[in-house]
Amino acid sequence: AQSVTQLDSHVSVSEGTPVLLRCNYSSSYSPSLFWYVQHPNKGLQLLLKYTSAATLVKGINGFEAEFKKSETSFHLTKPSAHMSDAAEYFCAVSRPEGYSTLTFGKGTMLLVSP
Amino acid sequence: GAVVSQHPSRVICKSGTSVKIECRSLDFQATTMFWYRQFPKQSLMLMATSNEGSKATYEQGVEKDKFLINHASLTLSTLTVTSAHPEDSSFYICSARGAVTSYEQYFGPGTRLTVT
Repeated sequence: AQSVTQLDSHVSVSEGTPVLLRCNYSSSYSPSLFWYVQHPNKGLQLLLKYTSAATLVKGINGFEAEFKKSETSFHLTKPSAHMSDAAEYFCAVSRPEGYSTLTFGKGTMLLVSP
Repeated sequence: GAVVSQHPSRVICKSGTSVKIECRSLDFQATTMFWYRQFPKQSLMLMATSNEGSKATYEQGVEKDKFLINHASLTLSTLTVTSAHPEDSSFYICSARGAVTSYEQYFGPGTRLTVT
């Protein structure tokens, strides 16, 4: 079984300040991990993914995440928030095999104030 | 590349009628398509997985007779909500994957269904 816990339902930051969105996972195997972003009434866009290569993964729009097996975490960070980053963010886990399904966390709403 | 479209983007239907939602992979062959349901301010819940030419595999608790899924070609899957009721109102999102996407899922933009 696999599961994802996103520790914060909402995160508020000011424009230009760092972003930290937390994700912890549980799985009985070495997982693949993903971060997706969803803007209102839109589908999901992949930000980045970890698939057992480098533990520090760089994604689009300046986001990155670090896989920490000892902490079962895959937190998403960005050095400086932009207003356009305001959206819902989902962490997801799957088995490493290509034919696996995704299990999503409940999401974190990122609010960015001027 | 790897673009997935959904049609319609929004649909309003009356209670008791059926509505069909299409999911298309525009520039790749999707051997597998997934259908998710998302309630307001909640996560995506996988409803079913469909492989081209095979019957869909439904997740526990999803009524297969109510949510009919067809994946007749490598670029098209349809979800038909039969005898819709207001509680079926939701945001439905599909995703698709295939060899060209390295089996990574690409998501459609979603369909907002409102049943009155």
